Amino acid sequence: DGGITQSPKYLFRKEGQNVTLSCEQNLNHDAMYWYRQDPGQGLRLIYYSQIVNDFQKGDIAEGYSVSREKKESFPLTVTSAQKNPTAFYLCASSISGVYNEQFFGPGTRLTVL
Amino acid sequence: QQQVKQSPQSLIVQKGGISIINCAYENTAFDYFPWYQQFPGKGPALLIAIRPDVSEKKEGRFTISFNKSAKQFSLHIMDSQPGDSATYFCAASNSGGYQKVTFGIGTKLQVIP
Repeated sequence: DGGITQSPKYLFRKEGQNVTLSCEQNLNHDAMYWYRQDPGQGLRLIYYSQIVNDFQKGDIAEGYSVSREKKESFPLTVTSAQKNPTAFYLCASSISGVYNEQFFGPGTRLTVL
Repeated sequence: QQQVKQSPQSLIVQKGGISIINCAYENTAFDYFPWYQQFPGKGPALLIAIRPDVSEKKEGRFTISFNKSAKQFSLHIMDSQPGDSATYFCAASNSGGYQKVTFGIGTKLQVIP
């Protein structure tokens, strides 16, 4: 089955620790995205990548880092510099080009203890 | 700066009624307006989308109305059902260059029997 997988579904971390969220897609999509979802704030773009080995900051990139070494993988690292990391994180992918639907993964809920 | 303003944030509708969610945008370069549906604990999924060359698009019980001069668009859910209870996001994107999608803050819809 084609789709996007995110792991883990729930993640707990202590303050001061870095944590990496996994995102894998087998849709052969060129573009991948990371969003953060907080109640009452919609979906905010953290990072995006249109091709392998290239990525750009979104609207709220501070405290986050990404890599895009393979077309199917786009991991997100939440660093200790992110002041309010507790949130629901969503990964998405799409075919590069106009008017293309973004396909979302099931999300990872990160809680900082 | 909220480029896509969505209202209301929450909506309660009786079964069989019409659910209406409104969005307004500021950037006249936006030329693609999708709506996403999200169930609790899941990632959003594309529901219906419209381009500004048409004023209305209907798919089953879901209709998008688009007013280009007012820079507004809305989602109408006819004969609302309890299974429609979800969070709905309007969004907008610009086909020129990178296809960044700007999301509204979301509307939590509850359809009561």
